[in-house]
Amino acid sequence: DIQMTQSPASLSASLEEIVTITCQASQDIGNWLAWYQQKPGKSPQLLIHSATSLADGIPSRFSGSRSGTQYSLKISRLQVEDTGIYYCLQRYSNPPTFGGGTKLELK
Amino acid sequence: QVQLKESGPGLVQPSQTLSLTCTVSGFSLTSNSVHWVRQPPGKGLEWVGAIWSGGSTDYNSALKSRLSISRDTSKSQVFLKMNSLQTEDTAIYFCTELGGTNWFAYWGQGTLVTVSS
Repeated sequence: DIQMTQSPASLSASLEEIVTITCQASQDIGNWLAWYQQKPGKSPQLLIHSATSLADGIPSRFSGSRSGTQYSLKISRLQVEDTGIYYCLQRYSNPPTFGGGTKLELK
Repeated sequence: QVQLKESGPGLVQPSQTLSLTCTVSGFSLTSNSVHWVRQPPGKGLEWVGAIWSGGSTDYNSALKSRLSISRDTSKSQVFLKMNSLQTEDTAIYFCTELGGTNWFAYWGQGTLVTVSS
């Protein structure tokens, strides 16, 4: 199975700050990576797919990038509603595997 | 619009069998696949298995011996059955659809399954 190593595990940031979360794939997965946000008691919401494509209805302050097998999610200006847990997901090969999650809180 | 809703027993005794149903609307099971993902309380997401549009299935290798996913296309329902349940199977079970975007864009609300005597 492909391992997705996500960092950091937790993060505290201020309003309007730039936030970056990364996922390292254990092998080449091309652009078969997505980012999800999950709020307490809710199902995950798709933010970014295909490594860099913004999902429908997602604010443009969210962006995704790739450098080799390292993938990053950037929030350009942190807002109150951006708190939650973020997960990456690879769908290059079965089984799909998620990163361990990053808990994002406001400072 | 696309909707998915999980239903199930809530509480299952150890060693018993879990049966969950995912009822979908807004798409056809013969066009899009449905996947199950679970999340133990306070922990991360784990892919459980899938039934593809053609009816074939894929399972998490760690669960494969205990797991079965099937469907009734006429009722737009997907079924998950997992036997020999243990406390480690306590989790929120989500169903999600892999549609035109090729990503899990739509999810059910999830159903909490607690394995306890």
